[in-house]
Amino acid sequence: KNQVEQSPQSLIILEGKNCTLQCNYTVSPFSNLRWYKQDTGRGPVSLTIMTFSENTKSNGRYTATLDADTKQSSLHITASQLSDSASYICVVSAFGNEKLTFGTGTRLTIIP
Amino acid sequence: KAGVTQTPRYLIKTRGQQVTLSCSPISGHRSVSWYQQTPGQGLQFLFEYFSETQRNKGNFPGRFSGRQFSNSRSEMNVSTLELGDSALYLCASSLREGYEQYFGPGTRLTVT
Repeated sequence: KNQVEQSPQSLIILEGKNCTLQCNYTVSPFSNLRWYKQDTGRGPVSLTIMTFSENTKSNGRYTATLDADTKQSSLHITASQLSDSASYICVVSAFGNEKLTFGTGTRLTIIP
Repeated sequence: KAGVTQTPRYLIKTRGQQVTLSCSPISGHRSVSWYQQTPGQGLQFLFEYFSETQRNKGNFPGRFSGRQFSNSRSEMNVSTLELGDSALYLCASSLREGYEQYFGPGTRLTVT
């Protein structure tokens, strides 16, 4: 069964600190992995999309990594800001039918 | 370019009623997907439409239905509402299946 697991479920860090969110998946055959940021009460917004051949992709202070061998991805946030407080959702797409499997997300809270 | 719009943004219904939610995709996008998001379950896929045809369907009861019009606008309908249907319903559009999805702000449905 295709699954996406994220850890931690929630995280609280001080403004200015770095943090890393994890995503493990069992989706096969793998097509691509996406990280979304979702502010409370809003729709998710795409941060990065990575295919099998990509190890790292950056979007400003957000850097995603992908290890297709171990089926793990991480999202690293540098110099966190209060506006980074949101849920971060990992989504994996299966090759062929392009069905998306969603993780339950990590709730990140940045405190001043 | 205008983003994905969803109407209404908020809705309160009572058990047993039915509800219709609307989604207007980004201009030029022909694929529309619907998701249900609850705190406990995260994002769950409902169905996907492309060129007025349902391409994929998630594991939801027949009370949940949808359709897409020739202008790519989509509606989803939930009949005989239950308390557990209270959720944020998100619509996402993409150029076509498998392409980057852009989410709308969602419709918050509360069933009392």
